[in-house]
Amino acid sequence: AQSVTQPDIHITVSEGASLELRCNYSYGATPYLFWYVQSPGQGLQLLLKYFSGDTLVQGIKGFEAEFKRSQSSFNLRKPSVHWSDAAEYFCAVGPSYSSASKIIFGSGTRLSIRP
Amino acid sequence: GAGVSQTPSNKVTEKGKYVELRCDPISGHTALYWYRQSLGQGPEFLIYFQGTGAADDSGLPNDRFFAVRPEGSVSTLKIQRTERGDSAVYLCASSLTGEADTQYFGPGTRLTVL
Repeated sequence: AQSVTQPDIHITVSEGASLELRCNYSYGATPYLFWYVQSPGQGLQLLLKYFSGDTLVQGIKGFEAEFKRSQSSFNLRKPSVHWSDAAEYFCAVGPSYSSASKIIFGSGTRLSIRP
Repeated sequence: GAGVSQTPSNKVTEKGKYVELRCDPISGHTALYWYRQSLGQGPEFLIYFQGTGAADDSGLPNDRFFAVRPEGSVSTLKIQRTERGDSAVYLCASSLTGEADTQYFGPGTRLTVL
């Protein structure tokens, strides 16, 4: 069965520091992979997605993620965080053999920014 | 343009009551999805509509949950005989065609069952 693991429940980084949020997935084939962000009172917003091709994916707000098949990982990175990046981040996986309708989400990582 | 809207934003009900949650997708989006997000968890897939039909309802937890999309636009999620365990945020999303498209999420309806 498909699953997504985000091992870090809560991370605190200083403003201006680099960020890496971890995501591991379990799926038989190459999945569709997503990162979403959820700010308080806001809906989920797609940061970036990977379907195929270049394994380094650029997203909005300066985020990027790298698909590593050998490690079953899709970690999210940002070189320098801003206070406005404080939010909940969700990694998600969708099936590759059909439509990406049934997306499985991880349990999320809450990001706090230290001034 | 307008995004996905959901009404009501908050719903408080008593155990055993019936509730309806509404979703207005982005105009022109043929695919519509319902998810449920419990506290401290990621969204959990419930059902996916392609047009008027439910293409995948495998996430509905039991037969107390039902959803419709009669005209291929607005959708209603219906919960009968609510239980305290149904308390969660119910999220709706839509996408243009449903085939690996980006899903755009609404703000959610927070359901509290007393």
